[in-house]
Amino acid sequence: RKEVEQDPGPFNVPEGATVAFNCTYSNSASQSFFWYRQDCRKEPKLLMSVYSSGNEDGRFTAQLNRASQYISLLIRDSKLSDSATYLCVVPSGGSNYKLTFGKGTLLTVNP
Amino acid sequence: DVKVTQSSRYLVKRTGEKVFLECVQDMDHENMFWYRQDPGLGLRLIYFSYDVKMKEKGDIPEGYSVSREKKERFSLILESASTNQTSMYLCASSEPRGYTFGSGTRLTVV
Repeated sequence: RKEVEQDPGPFNVPEGATVAFNCTYSNSASQSFFWYRQDCRKEPKLLMSVYSSGNEDGRFTAQLNRASQYISLLIRDSKLSDSATYLCVVPSGGSNYKLTFGKGTLLTVNP
Repeated sequence: DVKVTQSSRYLVKRTGEKVFLECVQDMDHENMFWYRQDPGLGLRLIYFSYDVKMKEKGDIPEGYSVSREKKERFSLILESASTNQTSMYLCASSEPRGYTFGSGTRLTVV
């Protein structure tokens, strides 16, 4: 299994839809995980951290399943402004400060 | 908020030139990183540094070197630029809750 692997997409959804992205990781010892958002031609920015079973922030919910080594990001009531690439990020090789980034999932929310 | 500043947004250099990409962070972070991002390949780690004068190779260090003489500054050096080094280069500084990236330098080698 690759260190981190996520749905390549692209996802095209209408406004108001619920969309979920999935990500798997290989290092069972990993403790913390992240979702980053990257807009076109911009740098990645931290969206959510996931340290336990999950985390919720408004319309966004991140869930962690340690047994299956699986992370998900759920976006409810999609907005046009949610259109971006979403990057799943995991610790690299057991390091506390090095991260490995997934290749990203492109989301386009249509009017 | 942490600010990570990359000196150039766009650069065009000739094959064989020595190229310096500069990155400065203002929050006294120990860890700094250089990535390149290419379509279909995602973000790949070139080098990182966990303290002044300390550096470690990432996944793709060939053709690159780095310098960290001061805690706030981490420089990426392309010793002899080649066309396959045309890419978006992103610098990051880390804190326990994750990375903060600079706005990137889009380098074109012609």
